[in-house]
Amino acid sequence: NAGVTQTPKFQVLKTGQSMTLQCAQDMNHEYMSWYRQDPGMGLRLIHYSVGAGITDQGEVPNGYNVSRSTTEDFPLRLLSAAPSQTSVYFCASSYLLVGREGYTFGSGTRLTVV
Amino acid sequence: AQSVTQLGSHVSVSEGALVLLRCNYSSSVPPYLFWYVQYPNQGLQLLLKYTTGATLVKGINGFEAEFKKSETSFHLTKPSAHMSDAAEYFCAVSRGSQGNLIFGKGTKLSVKP
Repeated sequence: NAGVTQTPKFQVLKTGQSMTLQCAQDMNHEYMSWYRQDPGMGLRLIHYSVGAGITDQGEVPNGYNVSRSTTEDFPLRLLSAAPSQTSVYFCASSYLLVGREGYTFGSGTRLTVV
Repeated sequence: AQSVTQLGSHVSVSEGALVLLRCNYSSSVPPYLFWYVQYPNQGLQLLLKYTTGATLVKGINGFEAEFKKSETSFHLTKPSAHMSDAAEYFCAVSRGSQGNLIFGKGTKLSVKP
């Protein structure tokens, strides 16, 4: 039982490059989300999904794109990387009724944009 | 709208001393409340949660928290700190029962020998 798997763990991008952060879960969770963590800011929600084919924006969606074609996978795309997107990115998943178990988090992707 | 305030971005205690990490929330609906712990260079791990029922909830590693509706608080406590408790702790509130946790800014706990 792998839980939530994020790849890559580390990435350095040049300004203007694009890339996809991968997230996969094997718990049959309906809900998946992406957060970014910045010092002193806590975790801020980027995008989330309540099931395959359904996505919605969170608090800080600009510059990011998502899709959910399967229950298991929820990739996050950076369209044109900017230094302000330097952050640690976490993927999380849960049953739709979040109170049952709370979120399960991946181990994070540390992204640096130069 | 939901929001979470964690008082104190950094708390330092001596080994064996009481740990108290403060969390206040605002919510327009009955809240679900959570505490998560993050060890250096790792993801977040659920410590404990309150949904309904008993207001004093116990979690892993000897931590507990009490939901006080009148004070809109959900403070995290541990009677005796251990060196291994050094980490960052996040309080979170859900937007109702379905999805989207709102996180506080976190409190970094240091434990002195």
